[in-house]
Amino acid sequence: NAGVTQTPKFRVLKTGQSMTLLCAQDMNHEYMYWYRQDPGMGLRLIHYSVGEGTTAKGEVPDGYNVSRLKKQNFLLGLESAAPSQTSVYFCASSYRRNNEQFFGPGTRLTVL
Amino acid sequence: AQKVTQAQTEISVVEKEDVTLDCVYETRDTTYYLFWYKQPPSGELVFLIRRNSFDEQNEISGRYSWNFQKSTSSFNFTITASQVVDSAVYFCALRVPWGSSNTGKLIFGQGTTLQVKP
Repeated sequence: NAGVTQTPKFRVLKTGQSMTLLCAQDMNHEYMYWYRQDPGMGLRLIHYSVGEGTTAKGEVPDGYNVSRLKKQNFLLGLESAAPSQTSVYFCASSYRRNNEQFFGPGTRLTVL
Repeated sequence: AQKVTQAQTEISVVEKEDVTLDCVYETRDTTYYLFWYKQPPSGELVFLIRRNSFDEQNEISGRYSWNFQKSTSSFNFTITASQVVDSAVYFCALRVPWGSSNTGKLIFGQGTTLQVKP
């Protein structure tokens, strides 16, 4: 099993550009999450999904959109990137809501 | 409010020393889950352990051990006979229970950077 994978690993954007980060898991997990990690801020939840076709806002959702069209995929979109969105983005998944979350390798995004 | 505090920002030890990473949490819920994750220099987050609030048994896994004490709201992590490969940032996390506004959310501490010198 590949576990949780993320595409791309690195990306540089200009302010105003858009992009989509892809997260895929092959563990048949129901729950999926997107976090961002910033120095001194720890990890913060952006959006999450409790199953195929569902999404919900986390604690820092502004400027991001998500979709969960297939159970194994969770997409994070930035419609108009801003320098404040420069961060490392982690996707995670868990089998049930109380189970441990398994994380992907992260995507390092820089917005100039 | 839920909160996780890892007061030790950085710890430096010499190989083979034992080291304890502290984690103190705050929550009003009676049911909750605690986790430890390791983030090595390569950047990925590696799950180490999950503990629920009803299980106060300490756990040992090889050189790793965890001491959960509800009376002091602490979930400390000890590495015995540390090795250079243990060098990483270690995060303690608290899981917000179902029914709150952020279901499934993990509240992370700020992390403790452990450096093990040869």
